[in-house]
Amino acid sequence: ETGVTQTPRHLVMGMTNKKSLKCEQHLGHNAMYWYKQSAKKPLELMFVYNFKEQTENNSVPSRFSPECPNSSHLFLHLHTLQPEDSALYLCASSQVFWDRTTYEQYFGPGTRLTVT
Amino acid sequence: DAKTTQPNSMESNEEEPVHLPCNHSTISGTDYIHWYRQLPSQGPEYVIHGLTSNVNNRMASLAIAEDRKSSTLILHRATLRDAAVYYCILPNAGGTSYGKLTFGQGTILTVHP
Repeated sequence: ETGVTQTPRHLVMGMTNKKSLKCEQHLGHNAMYWYKQSAKKPLELMFVYNFKEQTENNSVPSRFSPECPNSSHLFLHLHTLQPEDSALYLCASSQVFWDRTTYEQYFGPGTRLTVT
Repeated sequence: DAKTTQPNSMESNEEEPVHLPCNHSTISGTDYIHWYRQLPSQGPEYVIHGLTSNVNNRMASLAIAEDRKSSTLILHRATLRDAAVYYCILPNAGGTSYGKLTFGQGTILTVHP
C-alpha cells in the first residue's frame, strides 16, 4: 500500500449504530487530519493530530470521536449520527517540521457515509 | 487564515494553457500560497506551493505577483484529466494548528475536448 488509505470506502449506517472509519498513512508523516465534505459545501477540517496528540478540534459534535494510536493510524468513531452527517469523510497526512511549518498534505480517497 | 478569492468557474479547451487566478490581498509576509485540486469522486491532491518566487513542477507553474497580493496557477497544456475544482489556500501554520487548511469554494475548471 502506498500513500493514504481509508476503509471502508462506502458505509451505510442507521442512527443508532456505532461504526468506525479507519485511515492509514504509509508516508512516514507525523500529522494526520480528518475532514468532512458535505454536498455543495467546502471541505471542513474536523480534527488535527500531531505526534498522536490532538491539536485541533474544530467544534465537532461529540458523536464523532477521533483516535490516533500511533502516527500512522487514525480512526473516527461514529455513534448516534444524524442524517445530516451523511458526507464524504477524508483523511490526510503531512510532515510537520520543527518550526510548525508543513507543506503538502496527502489525502486518502475518502469514505462515503450515508446515515439512514 | 488569510482570505483568498477565486472565480467560481472557468473553461478551457484541451491542449490550451489555463491561467487560474487567486487574490489574497491580506496575505502576510510569511504566508505560503498553496494550490490543491480535487478531481471528481476523489480526495484533494496537492498541486504546488510558493512564497515569493515563481515555482514550477511537473504538474503546473505558480506565478506570484511582486506584491504577493495575487497569484496564478498555470496549467501549460490542459487535458481532460485536469477537469477539477482548484483551491488556492494560505495555510495557517501558527499556534497549535499545524498545517491547518481552510478550503473555500474553489474554481471549477471545465476542459472541453
